[in-house]
Amino acid sequence: EVQLVESGGVVVQPGGSLRLSCVVSGFTFDDYTMHWVRQAPGKGLEWVSLITWNGASTYYADSVKGRFTISRDNSKNSLYLEMNSLRNEDTAFYYCVKDHYHSSGWHWFDPWGQGTLVTVSS
Amino acid sequence: DIQMTQSPSSLSASIGDRVTITCRPSQDIDKYLNWYQQKPGKAPKVLIYAASSLLPGVPSRFSGSGSGTDFTLTISSLQPEDSATYYCQQTYSTPPWTFGQGTKVEIK
Repeated sequence: EVQLVESGGVVVQPGGSLRLSCVVSGFTFDDYTMHWVRQAPGKGLEWVSLITWNGASTYYADSVKGRFTISRDNSKNSLYLEMNSLRNEDTAFYYCVKDHYHSSGWHWFDPWGQGTLVTVSS
Repeated sequence: DIQMTQSPSSLSASIGDRVTITCRPSQDIDKYLNWYQQKPGKAPKVLIYAASSLLPGVPSRFSGSGSGTDFTLTISSLQPEDSATYYCQQTYSTPPWTFGQGTKVEIK
């Protein structure tokens, strides 16, 4: 069974830092691109960041560029999100998501972890 | 970045009704369009990829259509378990791969 388990979500003050982790099992982690997607309470989904299978390429949403860093440790089946200079608007559930790539060029997100809540508040 | 506009933002329909949700990207995305279902307190689940391809295990009452800048998700006969929020997502070219704002489907 494929599992993605996020951790690290806490309450943090504006301007603070935090590192989220996601440990995966049930699939060959280093074969897959991975994503972070967030969702503010009661709001919609926002794609945050992507990292390719070997970490060679990363992409970020404009809203987090320069503040967040995605990384992975394939030896530990783990994905990370380093979050700095946190703002109130970063408050959200953060989901770790596996990229599914079809040979025809299609990508979709499946499966998703259960999410970890980051609250930025003074 | 490509902006995704869904409509309506919410709807209420009866069991057995045909329900249609529209998604319009701000530029041509060919068929690089996915649909997700999210139930309260749960992570999203993918239903459709490439605009119209149903994932295994997804009920056949769900269907997707469209290409370019106009897409639809249709539930042919609404069931109680379909009460959820539905999101479209584009995966055209390089990221960011943006989502629509969501459509909440409620049962009358």
